[in-house]
Amino acid sequence: GAVVSQHPSWVICKSGTSVKIECRSLDFQATTMFWYRQFPKQSLMLMATSNEGSKATYEQGVEKDKFLINHASLTLSTLTVTSAHPEDSSFYICSARVRKGTSNQPQHFGDGTRLSIL
Amino acid sequence: DAKTTQPTSMDCAEGRAANLPCNHSTISGNEYVYWYRQIHSQGPQYIIHGLKNNETNEMASLIITEDRKSSTLILPHATLRDTAVYYCIVRVARSMNRDDKIIFGKGTRLHILP
Repeated sequence: GAVVSQHPSWVICKSGTSVKIECRSLDFQATTMFWYRQFPKQSLMLMATSNEGSKATYEQGVEKDKFLINHASLTLSTLTVTSAHPEDSSFYICSARVRKGTSNQPQHFGDGTRLSIL
Repeated sequence: DAKTTQPTSMDCAEGRAANLPCNHSTISGNEYVYWYRQIHSQGPQYIIHGLKNNETNEMASLIITEDRKSSTLILPHATLRDTAVYYCIVRVARSMNRDDKIIFGKGTRLHILP
């Protein structure tokens, strides 16, 4: 159980286009999901917290107009990289946590989306 | 949440136990210790977590010192597939009304040697 799925796993597109990445919790409901970005040989950097039915909370230095987050249902959050440029090329990863009992339950992560902007 | 300190890298022979240390000397009473690992080009994988008692599951064992200032993740019989970056994270377990983010450090790069 507790499977988080991301789609697509790999995308290449031209500079200036927008790219949407989906994150789904397959067998549980997630009122909150998290989006991370990881550059080569670096650790994961939290970008934003996605809240179902409300606005996302962005970490300092992350442009909310650049990285649009929508959490329309309890099982789906999307991250749209708008007007993508080569510097946006990275590995994007989402996570979610099963909500039951006390909140010491671990977060579960998707397999990531590798985005390459030409 | 408390900060953790881990060695940058470690080597372990295949078939031997891999012992990965983590220092969390500023941990507070309501903070749990979580371990994740990330195999190259994949998302992080949850391994185990604990508060103060030692924990064991099908993947690993977690040994937490009595003063809770440090812990050790033990992979009992390491295989080549255990080569990964291992992250030790401490985090407060709050009520269900709040969902807390995980901040990743640099972790330990574990190499399993054939």
